[in-house]
Amino acid sequence: QLQLQESGPGLVKSSETLSLTCTVSGASISSSSYYWAWIRQSPGKGLEWIGTMWWYTGKTYTYYDPSLKSRVTLSPDTSKNQFSLRVNSVTAADTAVYFCASTGFGDNRGHDAFNVWGQGTLVTASS
Amino acid sequence: DIQMTQSPSTLSASVGDRITITCRASQNIDRWLAWYQQKPGKAPKLLIRKASSLESGMPSRFGGSGSGTEFTLTISSLQPDDFATYYCQQYHSYSYTFGQGTKLEIK
Repeated sequence: QLQLQESGPGLVKSSETLSLTCTVSGASISSSSYYWAWIRQSPGKGLEWIGTMWWYTGKTYTYYDPSLKSRVTLSPDTSKNQFSLRVNSVTAADTAVYFCASTGFGDNRGHDAFNVWGQGTLVTASS
Repeated sequence: DIQMTQSPSTLSASVGDRITITCRASQNIDRWLAWYQQKPGKAPKLLIRKASSLESGMPSRFGGSGSGTEFTLTISSLQPDDFATYYCQQYHSYSYTFGQGTKLEIK
């Protein structure tokens, strides 16, 4: 059974970098059968997809929301079966509950709904 | 980006009621729409994918319909456990986007 668990600091200073990790159990993050994503939820903006990472023929690929692309990086750590999120130059607007989530390889050219979620972790960006 | 608009934002109903939530997409998304249920302090839970395909283990009182730009989530007979917030999400293409949510309250 696939399970995801977020971890990382709950408080980040403004202008610094937010770093979170998602630990995956029940599947390999390097499997081409899954897509791995970060989603955040804040009172002001609701649920916001940040980006998705996947493997194909041994290489990782990513796609980011254009509004965040300049500040965001998703990266894998296959030795620990984890994937991470980094958001640079955070402001108060980045304060949110951050979820990692996964999809299978869906029948819409791979796109699919998020059927597995972590419990979420609150990150506060404060000066 | 494809904008997703849900209505109503809040819905008050009673146990046993039949309710419908609407989700509209700003452009054609075929049937690539999901519905989620979220309770306070918890992650969203996938209810329905591909507009009408009920996830395994989800009660049959939940139903989804629609295609193109207009979709509905129906709960045929509300149960106490159904009072939560519901979100739609398009996965037609990146960037994935969510509706703003519909909070289902007890009348």
